[in-house]
Amino acid sequence: EIVMTQSPASLSVSPGERATLSCRASESISSNLVWYQQKPGQAPRLLIYGASTRATGIPARFSGSGSGTEFTLTISSPQSEDSAVYYCQQHNNWWTFGQGTKVEIK
Amino acid sequence: QVQLVQSGAEVKKPGASLKVSCQASGYTFTNYPIHWVRQAPGQRLEWMGWINTATGTTKYSQKFQDRVTITRDTSASTAHMELTSLKSEDTAAYYCARDFGYGDYWGQGTRVIVSS
Repeated sequence: EIVMTQSPASLSVSPGERATLSCRASESISSNLVWYQQKPGQAPRLLIYGASTRATGIPARFSGSGSGTEFTLTISSPQSEDSAVYYCQQHNNWWTFGQGTKVEIK
Repeated sequence: QVQLVQSGAEVKKPGASLKVSCQASGYTFTNYPIHWVRQAPGQRLEWMGWINTATGTTKYSQKFQDRVTITRDTSASTAHMELTSLKSEDTAAYYCARDFGYGDYWGQGTRVIVSS
C-alpha cells in the first residue's frame, strides 16, 4: 500500500498570507495525485488533479505542483472561506489518502 | 448535472449488517466505476473498495476484504455497499465517489453509528 504523509498537521494563516501544504508518497506515483478540500459535515471537493491542474470552478489562488513523491498545494492569498481540511490522495495504485492538513484563516 | 445521492443515516447494533446505496444521475452509469470511501470521526479518508459498473468486477481493500460486498444495479443506476459484522469502530461517514481515475464527483455521505 502506498502511504501518503501530509505536513503540517495544521496551519493558521492571515488572509492574504500564502499557505503551503506538503504531501509525500512512500513510492513514486508520477503525477497521479489529487487534492481535496473538505469542510465539516461535507463530502470532499476536488481542487487539483494531475498534481497541478485546477478542477472546474476552482479559484486561481489554488495551485499544485510536484511529481514522483513530493507534492505541494499552495493557496496564494487565502480567503476566510478556505478554512477547511485539505487531503492529498494518490490514484497510481488504487486509492490512499493523506491524514489531512487543517487550515485556519485567522 | 452529475449527482450521486446516497441513502440516509443509519444506527446499527454491533454484529449487524449495513447496506448503503448510491444512486447516480446526469451521466451514463456504466461508463464510470464507483469507489466507496469511509471517514471515522476526526480521521482520514479510507478507501474500502471499487466496482466496475459495466462488468460488476470488484476490488476490495485488504482491511475490509472479509466483510464488505459492493454490488450494482444497472437498471437503477445504483451502487450498493454492504458491510457485515459491524463494530463500534465502523462508526463513520460512508461516501461513494465516481471514478475518473480519482474521485471527481462524490455522494453527500451516509452517517452510520454503531452502538449497543
